Amino acid sequence: AQKVTQAQTEISVVEKEDVTLDCVYETRDTTYYLFWYKQPPSGELVFLIRRNSFDEQNEISGRYSWNFQKSTSSFNFTITASQVVDSAVYFCALGDNQGGKLIFGQGTELSVKP
Amino acid sequence: DTEVTQTPKHLVMGMTNKKSLKCEQHMGHRAMYWYKQKAKKPPELMFVYSYEKLSINESVPSRFSPECPNSSLLNLHLHALQPEDSALYLCASSQGFYREGYEQYFGPGTRLTVT
Repeated sequence: AQKVTQAQTEISVVEKEDVTLDCVYETRDTTYYLFWYKQPPSGELVFLIRRNSFDEQNEISGRYSWNFQKSTSSFNFTITASQVVDSAVYFCALGDNQGGKLIFGQGTELSVKP
Repeated sequence: DTEVTQTPKHLVMGMTNKKSLKCEQHMGHRAMYWYKQKAKKPPELMFVYSYEKLSINESVPSRFSPECPNSSLLNLHLHALQPEDSALYLCASSQGFYREGYEQYFGPGTRLTVT
């Protein structure tokens, strides 16, 4: 069975702190894709990154970085020097090879206080 | 431009009403999706259209009826809804099907309240 676990339900940090959001996945597929989405209070899910199972290179985009480790089935997301605008719910998702379905984790609500 | 638009933003309807949600994308994407999201929960897939044909129906009650009039438009027709259907309804589109690794782009959603 395919599953995504985001064990951290809520995280609260003070601005400028670094924060890491954890994502652990389960799949029997050898080819798969992982995604991170951000959902601010406005409601729209914003695509952040896609990673395929053959690419274990870490990725950095500005203050955002992602650590993909197949050995531990994890795809963690770090925000460096967090800002109030980073406050949102973040979803990690795994693509279902049987169709067009995204399997979402339960989400982590990040609150960045000034 | 990765924009998916949805109308209306908010909708309040009675249990006997008929209403429709509309979604539009002009990115040339060939797959379009409807999701339902309850508060504090992840989105749940309802329907997937691929090349304007319904390819996935996640056992959604018949009071929800999707329609894809053309490659840019996706509608969700609502009839005889229940209060528990109140939720945020999200539309998404992708360039191709998931198997090819394409990410989905989401619209801002329609917040539906059934009274």
